[in-house]
Amino acid sequence: KAGVTQTPRYLIKTRGQQVTLSCSPISGHRSVSWYQQTPGQGLQFLFEYFSETQRNKGNFPGRFSGRQFSNSRSEMNVSTLELGDSALYLCASSLDVGRNEQFFGPGTRLTVL
Amino acid sequence: DQQVKQNSPSLSVQEGRISILNCDYTNSMFDYFLWYKKYPAEGPTFLISISSIKDKNEDGRFTVFLNKSAKHLSLHIVPSQPGDSAVYFCAASENSGYALNFGKGTSLLVTP
Repeated sequence: KAGVTQTPRYLIKTRGQQVTLSCSPISGHRSVSWYQQTPGQGLQFLFEYFSETQRNKGNFPGRFSGRQFSNSRSEMNVSTLELGDSALYLCASSLDVGRNEQFFGPGTRLTVL
Repeated sequence: DQQVKQNSPSLSVQEGRISILNCDYTNSMFDYFLWYKKYPAEGPTFLISISSIKDKNEDGRFTVFLNKSAKHLSLHIVPSQPGDSAVYFCAASENSGYALNFGKGTSLLVTP
């Protein structure tokens, strides 16, 4: 069974631009979560989607948004990029909500210049 | 506000010995705890979890201990192998939600 895939793997943008990252969960998984990893803050929860609905949201500004499609694929968007948005963005999928193991993708490395 | 803390950024252990990675948390609402392992250029991989109703969970060479009164958990790896060299993240979640709160990780190096 294929794992969680994220595209693109690497991205370079400039301040003020916007970016869209994509995540395809493991087949059959309906829950998708997004995390931001930076050296200073570690892994921080962005949001979680289940059945196209955002169930949980972390403490990030409104510039960070996401959505989930009917096939469970998910996208996250960051608008008006800032230098501090440079990070590894990780997507994780799980079968369902609740106490299920989350499987992580390899991440998208975003660099904002 | 970091609710899950891994105070040791790095740890070096000899092959065959025990590795003990520690994690502290501040939120008393956390009731589910997990350990993930991460290699460079890969996403974190689930290792082992423990519910707050237990104080120990074992899976092969990996054992997680939970001390609720101290708000402390630890991961023991016995015996340690060079392939265990990676960054280990402790994570916790509340009953009311499923968002994982991660520590900043401990980099484990197992030397031959």
